[in-house]
Parts: sequence; structure tokens; C-alpha cells
Amino acid sequence: QQQVKQSPQSLIVQKGGISIINCAYENTAFDYFPWYQQFPGKGPALLIAIRPDVSEKKEGRFTISFNKSAKQFSLHIMDSQPGDSATYFCAASMGTGFQKLVFGTGTRLLVSP
Amino acid sequence: DVKVTQSSRYLVKRTGEKVFLECVQDMDHENMFWYRQDPGLGLRLIYFSYDVKMKEKGDIPEGYSVSREKKERFSLILESASTNQTSMYLCASSSGGPSGEQFFGPGTRLTVL
Repeated sequence: QQQVKQSPQSLIVQKGGISIINCAYENTAFDYFPWYQQFPGKGPALLIAIRPDVSEKKEGRFTISFNKSAKQFSLHIMDSQPGDSATYFCAASMGTGFQKLVFGTGTRLLVSP
Repeated sequence: DVKVTQSSRYLVKRTGEKVFLECVQDMDHENMFWYRQDPGLGLRLIYFSYDVKMKEKGDIPEGYSVSREKKERFSLILESASTNQTSMYLCASSSGGPSGEQFFGPGTRLTVL
């Protein structure tokens, strides 16, 4: 129940295309869903996050779509660029105050020039 | 800028050695975390701390211990290193506020021979 399942494990997208990464969860108590981006040799960094009171959140070319009934959320990267090549982790947590995150297994994205 | 630093980028140790991984954050964050990152397994929480001298087990604490004597410093200890502890170790900190954003260090690549 604490797991967050992420797919695909790896993804190759052409420059200008749309990258889509999906995550699913079981625990309905989760109420915070961030995405982290990790470049080679660096630690993960928060990219964008959503709470279940909205179905979509957009920041520039990055959009989270959230489907509460299906217990799924996804990251869409529009107009993908080679600089977006990185590993992406979805995560989930519950409650306010102290935040313990449960991470997905990661998606390695390669955007080809 | 929030900065989380880890004492070593690369570390090679022998089986049975005692290993110390150090992490320091400069943003006065209450919460600190140790994760290990393995391909296909994502980020798995080893231990976390929400206050000085307080510690809680994460999902995979076996073979590890931690120490938090000062707010800014969180140490991960491998009492007797084994080859299955070869991994990337990531430290993170957060303020524990509603956003729960975790700030990660660059990681320590530990190889146990």
C-alpha cells in the first residue's frame, strides 16, 4: 500500500516531442505528489508538485495530470529538449508537517537531438 | 541557496570495515534523510531524523545506523560493510513545512570490495 509504481523504466523521445511518465499508487491517504528530476552526478531536485484538490498543474513545459479516482498521476514534458535528458522520480506523501516521501523507481529519459 | 554537502563523492571500502558517511546542510532544516539509490529500485529510505538526537527507521535500516548530534549534521554508519551495500547514498534535508520539499546532496558512490 505504500508503493508508488512508475513506468516506463526508460524512454527515448525526439526533440520537440512529448514525454509522458506515469505513476500509480494504492494508498488513498497520500495527498502530496511531487516529481523530482535528477541529472547525472547530481542529487534529485524538486521539479513540480501537485495536491489532489486539482486535476492538473502546469509550470512552463512541465505538466502534472492527476486522476484521483484512478489513483494515477503523470508528468508530461511538452516540446522535449535534449537538456531534459535526466532521470525522473515520482513520489507521494501524506499529512502535513513532516513529510516522508515514497518514491517511484525512476524513469530515465533521453531526448535525442 | 540551500546547500546539502556530503563528505565524499566516491568511497571504496573493504568488507567488514566500519564506514561513516557524513552529511551537512546549511539551511537550519529540522528534517534529514538518508537514501540509497539502486538502478531499477529508485530511492529507498534508510533512516530519517526530525530533530537533533531523534532518529526513525526507514524502509531498509538493516545494516545501518545513524547519528545526529547537531542540527546541521546527519551521519550514516555502516557498522560492518558488506558487498550488498555497494550503492549510491543520498542525503536530503527539508524544513518539514507543508510543501515538504527535500533538498538533496550530490551523493556518495560507495563500493565495498
